[in-house]
Amino acid sequence: DAGVIQSPRHEVTEMGQEVTLRCKPISGHNSLFWYRQTMMRGLELLIYFNNNVPIDDSGMPEDRFSAKMPNASFSTLKIQPSEPRDSAVYFCASRSGGAADSPLHFGNGTRLTVT
Amino acid sequence: QKEVEQNSGPLSVPEGAIASLNCTYSDRVSQSFFWYRQYSGKSPELIMSIYSNGDKEDGRFTAQLNKASQYVSLLIRDSQPSDSATYLCAVAPNSGYALNFGKGTSLLVTP
Repeated sequence: DAGVIQSPRHEVTEMGQEVTLRCKPISGHNSLFWYRQTMMRGLELLIYFNNNVPIDDSGMPEDRFSAKMPNASFSTLKIQPSEPRDSAVYFCASRSGGAADSPLHFGNGTRLTVT
Repeated sequence: QKEVEQNSGPLSVPEGAIASLNCTYSDRVSQSFFWYRQYSGKSPELIMSIYSNGDKEDGRFTAQLNKASQYVSLLIRDSQPSDSATYLCAVAPNSGYALNFGKGTSLLVTP
């Protein structure tokens, strides 16, 4: 089991540039979550998918953020244009179904720095 | 706004002591409760889950849940320096919903 795979691990970009974060969930998991973590706000849910369908995107900060899940094994989170306040660690996590005791498995995260 | 509140700490305990971490939540329909541990620069990892009122023990860890008081806690017995990390409390209304995390409590176990 390779776990949840995120890329890139680190991203440094200039304000105004487009940023794309990628995630491969654990095979067989049908729920995928994007979280953002900062010191000030902690771990915040941005959006989650069940069976590739977005269920709740109320945590997406604004229209500059978009997320897609074209198939069961791949998801992207895009920020366009990026701003310095978007600097954070972005985590992708997956879970198998709605089992009550099924844990959330996190990827290693992408540390984004926008200058 | 569904709130999950934790004392940010740091909570400092000597090696071998019991560390007590606390969490309160505002959403009364919450049904699933989790404790995650996060080492600096790493991703959160699940330690314990609890769904019913009372205590649940797993090795040195005990989770306690009181739904009437909307309170969940984590006890770590015989604390070790390797337990030094940030502990995140997470709450979900039921198993199919996304987890809402607290900001975490930083624990430091001193030799």
